[in-house]
Amino acid sequence: KQEVTQIPAALSVPEGENLVLNCSFTDSAIYNLQWFRQDPGKGLTSLLLIQSSQREQTSGRLNASLDKSSGRSTLYIAASQPGDSATYLCAVKYDYKLSFGAGTTVTVRA
Amino acid sequence: SQTIHQWPATLVQPVGSPLSLECTVEGTSNPNLYWYRQAAGRGLQLLFYSVGIGQISSEVPQNLSASRPQDRQFILSSKKLLLSDSGFYLCAWNPMAGGPYNEQFFGPGTRLTVL
Repeated sequence: KQEVTQIPAALSVPEGENLVLNCSFTDSAIYNLQWFRQDPGKGLTSLLLIQSSQREQTSGRLNASLDKSSGRSTLYIAASQPGDSATYLCAVKYDYKLSFGAGTTVTVRA
Repeated sequence: SQTIHQWPATLVQPVGSPLSLECTVEGTSNPNLYWYRQAAGRGLQLLFYSVGIGQISSEVPQNLSASRPQDRQFILSSKKLLLSDSGFYLCAWNPMAGGPYNEQFFGPGTRLTVL
């Protein structure tokens, strides 16, 4: 069974600081890994998708890396802004299913 | 472009009452469809997924059921709700083409409170 862990569970930083969010998974036989953002009471917004053959993906201020052999991914958010405050979830795809971590709740202080 | 709709957005139901949540996807054909539940303080739990009309796979045995009467319509039902059914229900889809390598997209969710 695939287990996904996200550390830390919560993070508070001043505006402008870079954010580093960690995700680990137990079974490296994955198709891809996806990072999502969830605002309170809302659905999930897909941020980045990394295929198992890729090492990283970038979108604007977001960069995600994947080390499949060690079962780890890291999401970097550069120059954080108050609007980045949200819960960030990582999920790994195996078979046709996504297995999710519990998320990291980020607060960016103005 | 593709969009996914869920309704209702919020629902308050008494214990023992029936449930029907609906999800529709626009702008695509033959999507894979999923129902997830997010309970307070817990991660997302996959409940059901479907790779075609009438094809439903259940991940967690419980008093919920799912149906897919049309290609882009996915329904979550219960005959009698339990208190433990409270939570945030999310529908998701990804394109069938490309198999398991596709990005998954989520709807806005339905907040269900069972009293």
